[in-house]
Amino acid sequence: NAGVTQTPKFQVLKTGQSMTLQCAQDMNHEYMSWYRQDPGMGLRLIHYSVGAGITDQGEVPNGYNVSRSTTEDFPLRLLSAAPSQTSVYFCATGVRGGLTANEQFFGPGTRLTVL
Amino acid sequence: SQQGEEDPQALSIQEGENATMNCSYKTSINNLQWYRQNSGRGLVHLILIRSNEREKHSGRLRVTLDTSKKSSSLLITASRAADTASYFCATVLIAGGTSYGKLTFGQGTILTVHP
Repeated sequence: NAGVTQTPKFQVLKTGQSMTLQCAQDMNHEYMSWYRQDPGMGLRLIHYSVGAGITDQGEVPNGYNVSRSTTEDFPLRLLSAAPSQTSVYFCATGVRGGLTANEQFFGPGTRLTVL
Repeated sequence: SQQGEEDPQALSIQEGENATMNCSYKTSINNLQWYRQNSGRGLVHLILIRSNEREKHSGRLRVTLDTSKKSSSLLITASRAADTASYFCATVLIAGGTSYGKLTFGQGTILTVHP
């Protein structure tokens, strides 16, 4: 099993460009989420999904879109990249536990630089 | 603002010593989780403690939770150089209705264990 995979590992964009960060999992987890991690800070939740067809906003959703058409995939779209979106992006999955979030499994991350 | 805040921000110890990290949070939680992050890697789940639990053990890890003080501590006993990493606490707020309990991370404690 590959677990949680993220592509690409590294990406450099110019301001205004758009791109999609890919996240895929083979653990059949209902819950998937995207975080960004900035230097000296913890992880901040961007968007999450509790199942196919269901998404919701996290703490810092502006400038990002998500969709969840399958259980396995949860892509994160940057609509018009800005330097403030330079960060390391992590995708995480987990077993949905009622109305709570339990153990999360993290991908290796995508390091994004916006010039 | 961050729900969880770790203390200290950085901790440097010798191999064999115990390491204690603390986490404080602001509002009532469903559960609290601790994660480890090695440099340049994704996060790895260490332990989850629910709001009705006071202490949990896992190998050399001991986690306590004091809901009256809104705080938790992670103790790593007999530390090893391989324990060198950043450690994050993450809280899950009590959810209701259609709201799903999301993880909110603190800023982390950087632990360095010298051989």
